[in-house]
Amino acid sequence: NAGVTQTPKFQVLKTGQSMTLQCAQDMNHNSMYWYRQDPGMGLRLIYYSASEGTTDKGEVPNGYNVSRLNKREFSLRLESAAPSQTSVYFCASLPRGTENTGELFFGEGSRLTVL
Amino acid sequence: GQSLEQPSEVTAVEGAIVQINCTYQTSGFYGLSWYQQHDGGAPTFLSYNALDGLEETGRFSSFLSRSDSYGYLLLQELQMKDSASYFCALRGSNYQLIWGAGTKLIIKP
Repeated sequence: NAGVTQTPKFQVLKTGQSMTLQCAQDMNHNSMYWYRQDPGMGLRLIYYSASEGTTDKGEVPNGYNVSRLNKREFSLRLESAAPSQTSVYFCASLPRGTENTGELFFGEGSRLTVL
Repeated sequence: GQSLEQPSEVTAVEGAIVQINCTYQTSGFYGLSWYQQHDGGAPTFLSYNALDGLEETGRFSSFLSRSDSYGYLLLQELQMKDSASYFCALRGSNYQLIWGAGTKLIIKP
């Protein structure tokens, strides 16, 4: 059981380049999330998908787009990367059984550097 | 808006007990969660308080007082492996979590 899988784990981009972070979960979870974490800070929500076919903005959506491709997959796209987007990105999913606890299951993270 | 405050760093001795506090400002929320994160790793869920009072899970306990806008995580019998950052997070609507900045726990032998 792989849980939540993110790719790539590391990426270096130049300003203006685009890329997509991939996330897949094999736990049949309904809700999926993309967070970013900057040094010394907590996680900030970029976008989330409460269920297949829906996506909504979080706290810091500017500069990002998402696609909930199916129940398993939720991708995050940077159309024109900026140095301010240098961060660690975490994908997470939430099983229906723990809706009332907010117990998120996280991927290992994707470390993105924009030069 | 919503905000949470935690101490940036706490130091304790192996085998001791440590309390990590979390104060918050919010107009409404469903509960308070706690997560542990080791350097370079992903956050892992520790506990959740939907109601006031104490929740105990092994060496870890978490407390919530809605009237005081305050919660804490209590770690007992500290082990070196408990050295990590600890985050409190408010659960709002649509299962969103608003995170504190985290408390780095340093454990000395």
